[in-house]
Order: sequence, then structure tokens, then C-alpha cells
Amino acid sequence: DVKVTQSSRYLVKRTGEKVFLECVQDMDHENMFWYRQDPGLGLRLIYFSYDVKMKEKGDIPEGYSVSREKKERFSLILESASTNQTSMYLCASSLGGRGGNSPLHFGNGTRLTVT
Amino acid sequence: QQQVKQSPQSLIVQKGGIPIINCAYENTAFDYFPWYQQFPGKGPALLIAIRPDVSEKKEGRFTISFNKSAKQFSLHIMDSQPGDSATYFCAASMGGSNYQLIWGAGTKLIIKP
Repeated sequence: DVKVTQSSRYLVKRTGEKVFLECVQDMDHENMFWYRQDPGLGLRLIYFSYDVKMKEKGDIPEGYSVSREKKERFSLILESASTNQTSMYLCASSLGGRGGNSPLHFGNGTRLTVT
Repeated sequence: QQQVKQSPQSLIVQKGGIPIINCAYENTAFDYFPWYQQFPGKGPALLIAIRPDVSEKKEGRFTISFNKSAKQFSLHIMDSQPGDSATYFCAASMGGSNYQLIWGAGTKLIIKP
């Protein structure tokens, strides 16, 4: 069974802090994703990566960056946290390269509050 | 053009009833339509998916109906149970790429015992 583990379930940070959200998957998946989930807005893609050290912007990349130094780990970085980044953050992984509709496997999310 | 419109936003159904969640899209290039189920405190998980070359797909008590001409697809849950209470998301993608998944806003479903 695929397991996607997000390092923190809840995080509270102050405005202006640098925040790291970590995600690890154990199934050797090529693709990894960071989504943001807000009520009434569905899931919005922040960044994705289809290979180590490769990254592409999603729909809402502003204020975020990512790092993928190892295949199993994908980190989301908030360079200077702001209150409008308070949200649920979901990491996902999937098998396959740039093509294919293999299922997304999600972690249980990190609820980030920026005060 | 890139939106997937999902309705209703929330739905309450008695046990045994048949909740129906609808999604509509504009972009005719979409060729893959998955539904994800999310329980409280968990991430979404793939429930069922359909391609536009079929009009219906069933997996257990879950059925997707697809109307290509109307650009609509819907999820039906037969004999619904309290354990089906969850948030359901429809999505669409094109070109065989799950990088391009466009998500509906989600429907919070409650099945009353």
C-alpha cells in the first residue's frame, strides 16, 4: 500500500517566518505534488515534480517554492509566511512519467495557521 | 474553459437513499474524469474514474454517468450508508496527464442513519 507521509499534522507559524512542509512517499513514484485545499475552492496545485531536481509551477505558485533532492522527498517552502497562506496543504504522489492518468495518492495533510 | 463546476456544495441524504453529485465542464479536450473521496482528517483517495468513450461505469455501489453532448458527469451512490459520509471531488484532465487535473470545488455528503 502506498504511503505518503507529511511531517506535521498541524503547524502554527508567525507572519514572515520561513516554513518548511515535508513530504515522503515510499513507493518509488516519479511524480509528486503539493496542493492547497480551501473550503469552496477545491484543490489547487501549487507545484509538482516529475523527477528528482525537476519542478514545475502549478496554478498558484506565488509565495511558495519547492525542493526535490531525493526521489522520495518533496518539500514545500513558504519563504515568508503570510496570513493568506493559512490553509490545508496536501502532498500527493503518482506513478509514471509526464503522461498517464495513474491515481494520485495523498498524504493526510498539514493544517497550517499563520498568525 | 478550464473550470469544472460541481454541485451541490453540500448534501444530506437518509440511509438507503441515492445521493447524486453533478459536475459540468466546458473544455471538450478533457478525456479523463476521476472522482476522489475524502474522509475527515484524511487526504482524498481515488474512488472511480471514467473516460468519454463510455456512458456509465459502476464499481460496487458507486456509478459514474457521463453525458458527452451535455458535457456533464455525475456520481450516484446506491443504497447509501453512513460510512459514505465524506467530501467528494470530481476532476478532469486532458492529454493523459494527471499534472493537468482540474478539480471541482467538492461536495460534503452526509448520510443520516
